[in-house]
Parts: sequence; C-alpha cells; structure tokens
Amino acid sequence: GAGVSQSPSNKVTEKGKDVELRCDPISGHTALYWYRQSLGQGLEFLIYFQGNSAPDKSGLPSDRFSAERTGGSVSTLTIQRTQQEDSAVYLCASSFRHQSPLHFGNGTRLTVT
Amino acid sequence: GEDVEQSLFLSVREGDSSVINCTYTDSSSTYLYWYKQEPGAGLQLLTYIFSNMDMKQDQRLTVLLNKKDKHLSLRIADTQTGDSAIYFCADLPNQAGTALIFGKGTTLSVSS
Repeated sequence: GAGVSQSPSNKVTEKGKDVELRCDPISGHTALYWYRQSLGQGLEFLIYFQGNSAPDKSGLPSDRFSAERTGGSVSTLTIQRTQQEDSAVYLCASSFRHQSPLHFGNGTRLTVT
Repeated sequence: GEDVEQSLFLSVREGDSSVINCTYTDSSSTYLYWYKQEPGAGLQLLTYIFSNMDMKQDQRLTVLLNKKDKHLSLRIADTQTGDSAIYFCADLPNQAGTALIFGKGTTLSVSS
C-alpha cells in the first residue's frame, strides 16, 4: 500500500521567501507529525495532530512556522520569511492512532540561500 | 523535558554482532522504538518493545530493555554491509498528545 508521501522532495528558496511543504499521510491514520532533521541534531519535534483535537504546537521554533491539517488528512507546513537556519530536512510521519508506530515519509530537503 | 541519549558512532566488521545503546529519562515510557535511516531516505521502523517487556527478538535483531536503569539496546547479529545506516532510538511517553522523542542517532559503519 501507499506510504507517507511528501512534496516537494527538494526545495531551494531565497532568504525571506515563504515556503509550503506538503504531507499526504497513510489513509486511515489519525495521527500526523512533523519533525525537522538538521545535520548532527537528530530529530526535532515540531507539531502533532491527533484526530479532531487541537494540535500540539509546542515544538514550533518560532511564529514564522505554522501547520494545518485539512479534513483530517493532508497537512501543510508553512515557513514564512525563511532564514538560513531553517535549512534542514523536514520529515512527516503518520500513525494509526496515538501510541501506534510512526511511519515516515522520505522528507523534504529545504535549502535557504 | 524528557531526553534520549545515544552514542554517535559504531564501527564493526561484517559478520560481527553490533550493539547500539540508548538511555532515556522518561519514567512513564509506554513503548520504545528503533528506527533505521539510510542515506537520503526517511526513517524505517525496525522494531519496538512495550515497556513491560525486557527482551524482544526479531530475526537478527534483539532488543533488551532495562527499565530500572532506563537503558535500551539493539543487537544486530551477523552484521552485513547493508546494515550500514543511522539508527535512532525513540521513546513514547505515557501522556496523551505527546509525540515520540528521538535520540540524535548512532551511525553504524560496517566494513568488509
């Protein structure tokens, strides 16, 4: 079956521009997560959606970052006024429910020049 | 906040066993996971263990959990060059609405 799909796979943008990253979770998965992976920094939690509950936004590093999940399925992570330190791989994952194993997409590599 | 620690590098010869260690601070963990990441790819779930277990075996993989010491290990028997990757340990706290907490990953290098 289809796994978690992320697009684009690579994105190069100029400092100060806005970017949108998309995640299509596995069908039927109620939980969706965004993580950021920087070189040598491991995985940094950003935001977590569970069903119709209010999302856990505690990991978002600044108010330039926001995410939404429409219709309990597709999610978009938006970074406004990008900075060079935003360069990283942004990983999306979904799970059947909370405490089920996470299934990851291949990520979007964001480069801010 | 909760934390997960791993050693950063491990180098082994093909055919040897590899042991990757992880420590965590959360006392309410429900599940602990091992993920594998190959270059340019996302994370692939390898195995996981429920917190009331102390061992789980899955083909070449053995997971040991010492809950008292909050220590988790992943043993790969007969390590192959294809096992070269980054291995992440992750902890799921027993709190509603809490996401997985990952370690920084251990880079396993297998030489022939």
